[in-house]
Amino acid sequence: GAVVSQHPSRVICKSGTSVKIECRSLDFQATTMFWYRQFPKKSLMLMATSNEGSKATYEQGVEKDKFLINHASLTLSTLTVTSAHPEDSSFYICSARGYQETQYFGPGTRLLVL
Amino acid sequence: TQLLEQSPQFLSIQEGENLTVYCNSSSVFSSLQWYRQEPGEGPVLLVTVVTGGEVKKLKRLTFQFGDARKDSSLHITAAQTGDTGLYLCAGARGGTASKLTFGTGTRLQVTL
Repeated sequence: GAVVSQHPSRVICKSGTSVKIECRSLDFQATTMFWYRQFPKKSLMLMATSNEGSKATYEQGVEKDKFLINHASLTLSTLTVTSAHPEDSSFYICSARGYQETQYFGPGTRLLVL
Repeated sequence: TQLLEQSPQFLSIQEGENLTVYCNSSSVFSSLQWYRQEPGEGPVLLVTVVTGGEVKKLKRLTFQFGDARKDSSLHITAAQTGDTGLYLCAGARGGTASKLTFGTGTRLQVTL
């Protein structure tokens, strides 16, 4: 099956710093990647959709300057949380989709901002 | 706005019992997927249903898509402790460019 990896799996940072999370499709080309945020014991909330080579489309209420998304290749998308604050602490999950409709999810990245 | 409501939100049962999880919406979806997620991990796809009235079976799990493609159910027969997890339904409105809308989630705990 299709495999999606995320790095790092968990990160702790100080308030005010920026954190980059990588999402990679390991065995297929991902034309579209999605970034989700999940709060404890809650469902996934879509943050943005990124297509390779174009700007990401953000969901309503998600600050594009706060959450920078880059999808530079068909196997890599990055999410950078800029000037992170404690309220940005969350579980961030990416998914990748190739030429079929099925989204394959990464294992998630737990971010803790102190 | 959460378009997909799941019920129950939380379910605690003993091993061997049967259960049904519901996923309801007022919107029509072209396809609906069910995922299971364990703590600290990403969701794992269980099944995709695309045709109204469709029934799919995966071992002890039975998935049904409503005739009007607005709702779905997941039935587990003879639950096992390994079934414990967060069950999420997710709907897509259509086309390969469509994004998923996730349901509110059902947390299942199966004990001995």
